[in-house]
Amino acid sequence: EIVLTQSPGILSASPGDRATLSCRASQRVSRNYLAWYQQRPGQPPRLLIYGAYSRATGIPDKFSGSVFGTDFTLTINRLEPEDFAVYYCQQYGTSPFTFGPGTRVDI
Amino acid sequence: QEHLMQSGGGVVQPGRSLRLSCVASGFSFTNYNLYWVRQAPGKGLEWVSFVSDDGNTKYYAASVQGRFTISRDNSKNTMYMQMNALRPEDTALYYCARDEYKYDTSGCGLWGQGTLVTVSS
Repeated sequence: EIVLTQSPGILSASPGDRATLSCRASQRVSRNYLAWYQQRPGQPPRLLIYGAYSRATGIPDKFSGSVFGTDFTLTINRLEPEDFAVYYCQQYGTSPFTFGPGTRVDI
Repeated sequence: QEHLMQSGGGVVQPGRSLRLSCVASGFSFTNYNLYWVRQAPGKGLEWVSFVSDDGNTKYYAASVQGRFTISRDNSKNTMYMQMNALRPEDTALYYCARDEYKYDTSGCGLWGQGTLVTVSS
């Protein structure tokens, strides 16, 4: 099973800041099949990035993904109030399709 | 409009069974892989199961292997999760989800509203 470790656990930031979230995989993720999701309280997750760096439909370009080996990064530029949420990474290249524990972005 | 409508949750005693349903509308159901994902109260997301677009490939998390069975009926645009031998640790909000793009494993781009399963005596 591929274990995903997300850091930091909590990120404190201010509106207008840039946030950098990390997701490290315990082994190679097949075809870089790594997704990032945003979850706001009381809502289902929302797909932001798939395939490590491709934005999902309707996702603004302030969200970007990158990869170096087994280290994946989600960057959020110009934080807005609605961006303060929990962010999860998930690998879907090899079953079981594991999620990371999440990073909460707090004001 | 693309939509996944869930039903079937509730309160059940340990050891009993429950079946969840997820009905799709507004898109070509047969062209998409489907997933179940759960979230225990106040916790993170846990992937539970996967079924391919043709229903021939199925995967399960170790925590549910042998107790849960995923299936789909493409003639009814519906996916199911049969949950047997339920345990208190199965208590969670269960989401069904669909790949972002058809014919492609592309992350869960469409989610149902979630259905709560509570396992308690």
